[in-house]
Amino acid sequence: LAKTTQPISMDSYEGQEVNITCSHNNIATNDYITWYQQFPSQGPRFIIQGYKTKVTNEVASLFIPADRKSSTLSLPRVSLSDTAVYYCLVGDSGFQKLVFGTGTRLLVSP
Amino acid sequence: GAVVSQHPSRVICKSGTSVKIECRSLDFQATTMFWYRQFPKQSLMLMATSNEGSKATYEQGVEKDKFLINHASLTLSTLTVTSAHPEDSSFYICSARTSGRYSYNEQFFGPGTRLTVL
Repeated sequence: LAKTTQPISMDSYEGQEVNITCSHNNIATNDYITWYQQFPSQGPRFIIQGYKTKVTNEVASLFIPADRKSSTLSLPRVSLSDTAVYYCLVGDSGFQKLVFGTGTRLLVSP
Repeated sequence: GAVVSQHPSRVICKSGTSVKIECRSLDFQATTMFWYRQFPKQSLMLMATSNEGSKATYEQGVEKDKFLINHASLTLSTLTVTSAHPEDSSFYICSARTSGRYSYNEQFFGPGTRLTVL
């Protein structure tokens, strides 16, 4: 499983766009990139998953450059309720285990 | 998305007693379930992987005789913390994985169980 590196924490204000970048230099050809969100005392929640270029859903966008050695989770117009820890994970289509890194603790202020 | 429940959500027990935590997939069949432990301000740590009808695979450093995992059906897995001690106090989270219906490498997490051992 490829190791990931993310900023430990980020601060933002309501209404701003937040971009969280994850480095995964050793990503393999078959690996996908998945992001999870976790609120205090809750289980992680799936946000988005992608393989290359750009993926968008109703809550976020995921940008993946051509070399796939990094990815950026983009949260448009964050609100206070987006305050959480965001985890970036990398693994192939058949991987069984999710190895969680330190995650990025996002704090959204009024 | 799929729903995974855990019971109880919170439990307090005395040192030396055993505690059982249930993890259920409510609207899908989970071929594989995972158990994680999370200490305050830390990331999730995978404890074990269980496939229905077979023995669980434990991660290095996790005592299989202390953390008993049973995955008797495609919708239920249980984690029993035997002879619990204060250092076992933690947030225990299960997840379930299936194939076919959803993204094939997406795991669905339960809400977690807060265990406090006095």
